[in-house]
Amino acid sequence: GQQLNQSPQSMFIQEGEDVSMNCTSSSIFNTWLWYKQDPGEGPVLLIALYKAGELTSNGRLTAQFGITRKDSFLNISASIPSDVGIYFCALKTSYDKVIFGPGTSLSVIP
Amino acid sequence: EAGVAQSPRYKIIEKRQSVAFWCNPISGHATLYWYQQILGQGPKLLIQFQNNGVVDDSQLPKDRFSAERLKGVDSTLKIQPAKLEDSAVYLCASSWETGGRNTEAFFGQGTRLTVV
Repeated sequence: GQQLNQSPQSMFIQEGEDVSMNCTSSSIFNTWLWYKQDPGEGPVLLIALYKAGELTSNGRLTAQFGITRKDSFLNISASIPSDVGIYFCALKTSYDKVIFGPGTSLSVIP
Repeated sequence: EAGVAQSPRYKIIEKRQSVAFWCNPISGHATLYWYQQILGQGPKLLIQFQNNGVVDDSQLPKDRFSAERLKGVDSTLKIQPAKLEDSAVYLCASSWETGGRNTEAFFGQGTRLTVV
């Protein structure tokens, strides 16, 4: 089956720093999704990417769909305490099955 | 627009007991998903419905788990009998009908199950 890897597994950064995390898959897909999950809540969609090479921003977040269609990265600029949480990349298959990666845990030190 | 509703939020049961979770998707969403999220892991898809039909249930442990979406709207997920390893958060999500953009899944808050 499809495998997703995320790195790093966890990050501890100072408030105001920029953050970068990435995701790789074992197969080619047409849709990459980035979700954030706060403690006790369900994942919330941050950014959706539909085309190889696509670069999309949502406020301080920027994500790119890799040219090879097997990877994606998410950047957060000027981190703030509310950025704390777990960030998941996910892929959508042709039947809209959404497969999640293992997540990157982000901690922001004030 | 109301979000995905799930109940209960928390449930504690003894092993070998049965439990049921309920989900009401966003109005108009044809696709409904149930995920299991074990602590420290990403959500794992258990079953996917398109209206009242099953699209994918390949990772559903069918000897103990069952799910239905009889009228193509709300859904229930049942575990009978529960095992200790079933302790997890059970997430429901929904999306518009398949195909193209704007079909991303929106999640409920989940039901945290503890089996003791």
